[in-house]
Amino acid sequence: AQSVTQLDSHVSVSEGTPVLLRCNYSSSYSPSLFWYVQHPNKGLQLLLKYTSAATLVKGINGFEAEFKKSETSFHLTKPSAHMSDAAEYFCVVSPYSGGGADGLTFGKGTHLIIQP
Amino acid sequence: EPEVTQTPSHQVTQMGQEVILRCVPISNHLYFYWYRQILGQKVEFLVSFYNNEISEKSEIFDDQFSVERPDGSNFTLKIRSTKLEDSAMYFCASYGTSETQYFGPGTRLLVL
Repeated sequence: AQSVTQLDSHVSVSEGTPVLLRCNYSSSYSPSLFWYVQHPNKGLQLLLKYTSAATLVKGINGFEAEFKKSETSFHLTKPSAHMSDAAEYFCVVSPYSGGGADGLTFGKGTHLIIQP
Repeated sequence: EPEVTQTPSHQVTQMGQEVILRCVPISNHLYFYWYRQILGQKVEFLVSFYNNEISEKSEIFDDQFSVERPDGSNFTLKIRSTKLEDSAMYFCASYGTSETQYFGPGTRLLVL
């Protein structure tokens, strides 16, 4: 079984400042981990994924995340926030490289607010 | 770039009515999924489908739900007798060889 905890339901940063969205996971397997983003009234877009290769993963739009097994964490960061980053971010875990019979397990989401 | 499509984008129905939500997965993908997101809550897995049969289903996916791949392209979710609590955004996803599930834009279902 696996689970995901997103430690902040809301994060507010000023434009141009760093972003940190925190995620901890629990999994019986060596998991694959993902961050998806959902803009208002839009679907789910993959930002980045970790599937047992490099622990520092770079994604789209300047986002990156680091897999830390010892801390069971997969925090999402971006050096400089942009207004267009305002959205809901989901940390997601999968036991089977993102596919297979079992569905993905989503965290509750973090709402990122960008202040001008 | 190939993408998952879903129709309709919005559906309003009366309680007790049947609805069919449609999805066209990415063409060379083999695993298909349905998820739902009740307003303000997290995305929840409903069912996975492979080789023309259900692979796994969650406890949410009870007898009122069914899935089908009626032809080589469409993947449908049927809710037989809708309840108020079925109001949600329903996402279809498909999985191929890129170790990633690709999601459609969703169908927003409102049951009155």
